[in-house]
Amino acid sequence: GAGVSQSPSNKVTEKGKDVELRCDPISGHTALYWYRQRLGQGLEFLIYFQGNSAPDKSGLPSDRFSAERTGESVSTLTIQRTQQEDSAVYLCASSFLAGQETQYFGPGTRLLVL
Amino acid sequence: RKEVEQDPGPFNVPEGATVAFNCTYSNSASQSFFWYRQDCRKEPKLLMSVYSSGNEDGRFTAQLNRASQYISLLIRDSKLSDSATYLCVVNVGTGRRALTFGSGTRLQVQP
Repeated sequence: GAGVSQSPSNKVTEKGKDVELRCDPISGHTALYWYRQRLGQGLEFLIYFQGNSAPDKSGLPSDRFSAERTGESVSTLTIQRTQQEDSAVYLCASSFLAGQETQYFGPGTRLLVL
Repeated sequence: RKEVEQDPGPFNVPEGATVAFNCTYSNSASQSFFWYRQDCRKEPKLLMSVYSSGNEDGRFTAQLNRASQYISLLIRDSKLSDSATYLCVVNVGTGRRALTFGSGTRLQVQP
């Protein structure tokens, strides 16, 4: 079956511009996560959605970052007024249930802010 | 102290060698433990879950030591294809229900 997909795969933008990153989770997965991975670093949790519950936004680094999810489907991560330090790979993962279950990752979006 | 700590390596080992990685976690309430593998410029993929009694999958053996709060991964008969970064992953208990990833241990198996 289809895995987690993300788009775009690569994004180059200028400092100060807004970007939107999209994630399509595996069908039926109720939990969806966004992570950031800077070059040579580990994964940094950003935000998590579980069903219709309020999202856990505790990992968002600033108010320039926001995310939405429509029901149990597509999610969009938006970065406003991008900065050079936002350059990273943004990974989306989904799981059938939260926490205990295996997370399946998408291929990521490589963001470069010039 | 980081919630999940790993030796970043790199571990450079010859083919056929046995190599072991440890990972420590800080939250004693952690409930679930995993090892993920991440190849260069690729997304992480689950290698194996770690069960309380320890578990084995082919050449890979995972162990959990709750008393000392660490998990380990043992790779026997290393292959060139085992070269990757191995991520220790812990569910840090109630509240925030996301897995916490270690920064990874890089393994390079050499011919």
